[in-house]
Amino acid sequence: NAGVTQTPKFRVLKTGQSMTLLCAQDMNHEYMYWYRQDPGMGLRLIHYSVGEGTTAKGEVPDGYNVSRLKKQNFLLGLESAAPSQTSVYFCASSYSRGSHEQYFGPGTRLTVT
Amino acid sequence: GNSVTQMEGPVTLSEEAFLTINCTYTATGYPSLFWYVQYPGEGLQLLLKATKADDKGSNKGFEATYRKETTSFHLEKGSVQVSDSAVYFCALSRIQGAQKLVFGQGTRLTINP
Repeated sequence: NAGVTQTPKFRVLKTGQSMTLLCAQDMNHEYMYWYRQDPGMGLRLIHYSVGEGTTAKGEVPDGYNVSRLKKQNFLLGLESAAPSQTSVYFCASSYSRGSHEQYFGPGTRLTVT
Repeated sequence: GNSVTQMEGPVTLSEEAFLTINCTYTATGYPSLFWYVQYPGEGLQLLLKATKADDKGSNKGFEATYRKETTSFHLEKGSVQVSDSAVYFCALSRIQGAQKLVFGQGTRLTINP
């Protein structure tokens, strides 16, 4: 099993450009999450999904959109990138029951200039 | 609201030293508590967890006890190794439809040989 994978690993955008980050998991998890990691602030939840076709806002959703058309994929979109969105983005997934452990992808480092 | 506070880093120790990383939390009810570890260039991995008061989580020589009376979940290891160098995150979760983690800011640990 590959676990949780993210593409791309690195990206540099200019202000105003758009992009989509892809997260895929092969563990048949119901729940998926997008976090951003900034120095000294830990990880903050952007959006999450409790199942195919459903999404919900997390702590810092502004400037981002998400979609979960297939159970195994969770896409994070930036429609008009801003320098404040420079960060490392992590995707995670978990079962809806049981141990509640979240499994994380390796991250995407995004720089917006 | 829910929050997690960790001791500030960075923390630098010599090999075989005793490690404590403090973590306190604020939450309503009875959250589950976690320690995640992030090795350089990787995503987060669950290190240990505790789901109710007085539970002790343990893994790879690390331990943490869920103390409801002091709202704490301090991470300890009796003899650290160079390979323990990483960033450690304390987190809590409340099961409310989806398991949303709230993270502390992270503590960077460096072990010197």
